[in-house]
Amino acid sequence: NAGVTQTPKFQVLKTGQSMTLQCAQDMNHEYMSWYRQDPGMGLRLIHYSVGAGITDQGEVPNGYNVSRSTTEDFPLRLLSAAPSQTSVYFCATMGGALYEQYFGPGTRLTVT
Amino acid sequence: GEDVEQSLFLSVREGDSSVINCTYTDSSSTYLYWYKQEPGAGLQLLTYIFSNMDMKQDQRLTVLLNKKDKHLSLRIADTQTGDSAIYFCAEISPGGGNKLTFGTGTQLKVEL
Repeated sequence: NAGVTQTPKFQVLKTGQSMTLQCAQDMNHEYMSWYRQDPGMGLRLIHYSVGAGITDQGEVPNGYNVSRSTTEDFPLRLLSAAPSQTSVYFCATMGGALYEQYFGPGTRLTVT
Repeated sequence: GEDVEQSLFLSVREGDSSVINCTYTDSSSTYLYWYKQEPGAGLQLLTYIFSNMDMKQDQRLTVLLNKKDKHLSLRIADTQTGDSAIYFCAEISPGGGNKLTFGTGTQLKVEL
């Protein structure tokens, strides 16, 4: 089992460009989420989904879109990249009686 | 909203004990967690404690919970260089849509 996979690992964008960060899971978890990690700020929730066809905003949703057409995939779209979106992005699923979160390896994004 | 705070850095000598502290504000938290993030990787669940417990021991790890003061700590006995990482506390509450709120993370550096 691959768990949670993310692509790409690294990405450099110019201001105003758009792109999609991919996230896929093979654990059959209903709950998936996207976080960004910035120094000294911990992880902040961008968007989450409790199942296919259902998404909701987290703490910092502006500038990002998500969709969830299947249980396995939860892509994150940057509509018009800004330098403030330079960060490390993590996708995670949640499952089990302990509500444990399983994280992907992350995507390091730089916007110039 | 919920707030979870940690000190940013901790430095200890190999073989000493490390104590990482965390304070939270949501009194309805049901589970509290410690996640570990090694360099260049996603977070992994290290240990957890139910809100009706005061203490949990798991090999070299001891988790203490003071619900009155909303204070959580993680003690690592006989700290090793492999324990060098960022440690995040996190909490979940049933009224929050099963969303995890993470602390800012504590960077633990273990020196020889």
